Amino acid sequence: NAGVTQTPKFQVLKTGQSMTLQCAQDMNHEYMSWYRQDPGMGLRLIHYSVGAGITDQGEVPNGYNVSRSTTEDFPLRLLSAAPSQTSVYFCASLDRNIQYFGAGTRLSVL
Amino acid sequence: AQTVTQSQPEMSVQEAETVTLSCTYDTSENNYYLFWYKQPPSRQMILVIRQEAYKQQNATENRFSVNFQKAAKSFSLKISDSQLGDTAMYFCAFMKLLNSNSGYALNFGKGTSLLVTP
Repeated sequence: NAGVTQTPKFQVLKTGQSMTLQCAQDMNHEYMSWYRQDPGMGLRLIHYSVGAGITDQGEVPNGYNVSRSTTEDFPLRLLSAAPSQTSVYFCASLDRNIQYFGAGTRLSVL
Repeated sequence: AQTVTQSQPEMSVQEAETVTLSCTYDTSENNYYLFWYKQPPSRQMILVIRQEAYKQQNATENRFSVNFQKAAKSFSLKISDSQLGDTAMYFCAFMKLLNSNSGYALNFGKGTSLLVTP
């Protein structure tokens, strides 16, 4: 039972580069979301999805894109990375009002 | 807007002792959920305990219990018989409904860093 799987665990980018953070869950949860965690702060919502084909913005969506073509996968795209996007990113799925988190991706943008 | 406040950035407790972490929140909603998450150095977010606002009885999970005061909008976490493995960052979180599409999100406090010493 893998739960919520995020890849990669670590990534270093140069300013202006693009990349995709992968997130997959095997629990058949309809609701998935992406958060970022910055030093001294709790997690903040970037984007979320209530099911395949449906996505919406959270609290801090600028600079990020998402899509949801299947129930299992919810990738987060950075089109042109900026140093302000240096953070730890968490993917989560929701079932019965409990959020299950992946292990996180630590991203550094130089 | 809902806000979650954790007023204790850092706390320390001796092994086997009891410690209480504070959390207050602000909301105009009547039905909601509250959570405590633990984040050890591995950075994994681990659910410790949750409370439904419509339930008057305080939630308990083994050594972890909460004191939920709905009128005061307070949700404190008590850890009994503290263990070295309890050393972690603890986050209080409020679950809010985002819109009619049933989008939910957690609104987190800034966290309390708990150190359990021998």
